[in-house]
Amino acid sequence: GAVVSQHPSWVICKSGTSVKIECRSLDFQATTMFWYRQFPKQSLMLMATSNEGSKATYEQGVEKDKFLINHASLTLSTLTVTSAHPEDSSFYICSARVSPREPQHFGDGTRLSIL
Amino acid sequence: GENVEQHPSTLSVQEGDSAVIKCTYSDSASNYFPWYKQELGKRPQLIIDIRSNVGEKKDQRIAVTLNKTAKHFSLHITETQPEDSAVYFCAASTGWVQGAQKLVFGQGTRLTINP
Repeated sequence: GAVVSQHPSWVICKSGTSVKIECRSLDFQATTMFWYRQFPKQSLMLMATSNEGSKATYEQGVEKDKFLINHASLTLSTLTVTSAHPEDSSFYICSARVSPREPQHFGDGTRLSIL
Repeated sequence: GENVEQHPSTLSVQEGDSAVIKCTYSDSASNYFPWYKQELGKRPQLIIDIRSNVGEKKDQRIAVTLNKTAKHFSLHITETQPEDSAVYFCAASTGWVQGAQKLVFGQGTRLTINP
């Protein structure tokens, strides 16, 4: 149980394009989803917290107009990287949990490469 | 805010020996401490967690200890096997901020088990 699916797993695109990443909880309803960014050999850095039906809460230094998050249902959250540039290249991972007393379960991540 | 320090950054042990990874945290309000294992290019997987009302928890070869007074917690892996080789992250929950509890991750420990 507690499976989180993330799609796509790998994206390569040109600078200036927008990329949408989907995060789905397959066998549970996630009241809260989280989006992280991970650079090579580094830790997970929280970008934003997303509660179903409300606006995402962004961490300090994360541009909300560049990283658009939508959590329209209890099983789906999306992250859109708008007008992506090479410095946005990274590994993006989502996680989901049922409630604050439950652990976070992670998706497989999306490796984004901007040329 | 919460700050989590993890040591060592790399750890190499002989197969069959024990491995210990230590973390300290700064926020005395933190009450949940999970440990994640991440293999190269894959999702972080929860391996064990502990809440602040418990001092120790064990699951087969893995154990976690928590010292609330000193604000540190440790992961212990006994009888290590080659498949234990991975990067391990500790994390600590924050207190409630804007209606959500978040995880702050340590820097990670790259564990290598030598056959």
